[in-house]
Amino acid sequence: AQSVTQLDSQVPVFEEAPVELRCNYSSSVSVYLFWYVQYPNQGLQLLLKYLSGSTLVKGINGFEAEFNKSQTSFHLRKPSVHISDTAEYFCALLFSGGYNKLIFGAGTRLAVHP
Amino acid sequence: EAQVTQNPRYLITVTGKKLTVTCSQNMNHEYMSWYRQDPGLGLRQIYYSMNVEVTDKGDVPEGYKVSRKEKRNFPLILESPSPNQTSLYFCASTSGGIANEQFFGPGTRLTVL
Repeated sequence: AQSVTQLDSQVPVFEEAPVELRCNYSSSVSVYLFWYVQYPNQGLQLLLKYLSGSTLVKGINGFEAEFNKSQTSFHLRKPSVHISDTAEYFCALLFSGGYNKLIFGAGTRLAVHP
Repeated sequence: EAQVTQNPRYLITVTGKKLTVTCSQNMNHEYMSWYRQDPGLGLRQIYYSMNVEVTDKGDVPEGYKVSRKEKRNFPLILESPSPNQTSLYFCASTSGGIANEQFFGPGTRLTVL
């Protein structure tokens, strides 16, 4: 079975500091990996996705993620965060043969403090 | 504007009173699905539909029904809601083809007393 583990439920950070949100996955088949962001009282918005090719993926709002197959990880990073990045972040995967069902991690709440 | 809409956004109801949450998309997407979001569990798929009149169970279908009579609409029906269905519900849609972006609605916060 496929699963996604987000290693931190909450990450507090000061404005302009770098941040890394950790995501590990488990799957016996090929996967596609995603990061979504959920701002308060809103739906989910796609930040970035890894399908194939270069393992470093750049997304919107200055975020990037690196796919590491040997460590089954897909960590999200930003070199300098802003107050407006305060939100919940979800790592998710699609697997071959799973149609379009996204399997989500539990989420990481990023709190950016001034 | 391309979007997925859900109604209502907030709903408080009582155990056993049938309710429907509507979902509509204007992107002509074939694939639609419903998720519920619970603290510490992320989002879990309830039901999905690959096209009109084609629906199937996701990971947590118990207590829910869906229908897909038109391509744009995918309502979620709770025939007899129970308190354990108190949750935040999201509808999503995507075009055919693996790993295309899924577009999410704004969510429906349901409380069952």
